Amino acid sequence: QVQLQESGPGLVKPSETLSLTCTVSGGSVGTYYWSWIRQPPGKGLEWIGYIAFSGITNYKPSLKSRASISADTSKIQFSLNLNSVTAADTAVYYCASRTGTNPWWFDSWGQGMLVTVSS
Amino acid sequence: QSALTQPASVSGSPGQSITISCTGTSSDVGSYNLVSWYQQHPGKAPKLIIYEVTRRPSGVSNRFSGAKSGNTASLTISGLQAEDDADYYCCSYAGNYILVFGGGTKLTVL
Repeated sequence: QVQLQESGPGLVKPSETLSLTCTVSGGSVGTYYWSWIRQPPGKGLEWIGYIAFSGITNYKPSLKSRASISADTSKIQFSLNLNSVTAADTAVYYCASRTGTNPWWFDSWGQGMLVTVSS
Repeated sequence: QSALTQPASVSGSPGQSITISCTGTSSDVGSYNLVSWYQQHPGKAPKLIIYEVTRRPSGVSNRFSGAKSGNTASLTISGLQAEDDADYYCCSYAGNYILVFGGGTKLTVL
């Protein structure tokens, strides 16, 4: 089973871009599916989107205009950029993976990283 | 796509069984056998406990079982144990390469 670890700034200013990286060990981003999910404090989970081993990406429609997921196979990492952030984007951000033939559930998760949007 | 509907809370005593419902629509839960369930303890990452409606990952207790009828999926936990006290989330494929989560259910083991 792969191990995942999120990293990036824990504080982002409103209107700026949130950038997070997920480092993969025990697997390769050149295979399978790699996703981002977030959880506002005290609230439920929200799927953001995924990148497939082929490089194809898909996003939650309401976030599609602001979110971008990319992968760096040489560094065994994948990343999330979310632009024009507001306080509503404050959340614990999880990276997750699906080591199979479709991305529709998540069998490995990172520990999560709290990102706060505040000036 | 709207979030799937789960009860905010359920409770049960040790040894009892409980069921958590997850209601969607004919566009998500009702159309695909791609419902998954996750267990989340406070301050921890979610853990996959059910996928494809009824299947359990290796290592997950057989006290956890899933089912689906129409637009509603359900998670049953039998023989409740103290360690089952956690939040539970359902998730479904909703077509057009989109996933949707439920709002979550807090299970209290009395």
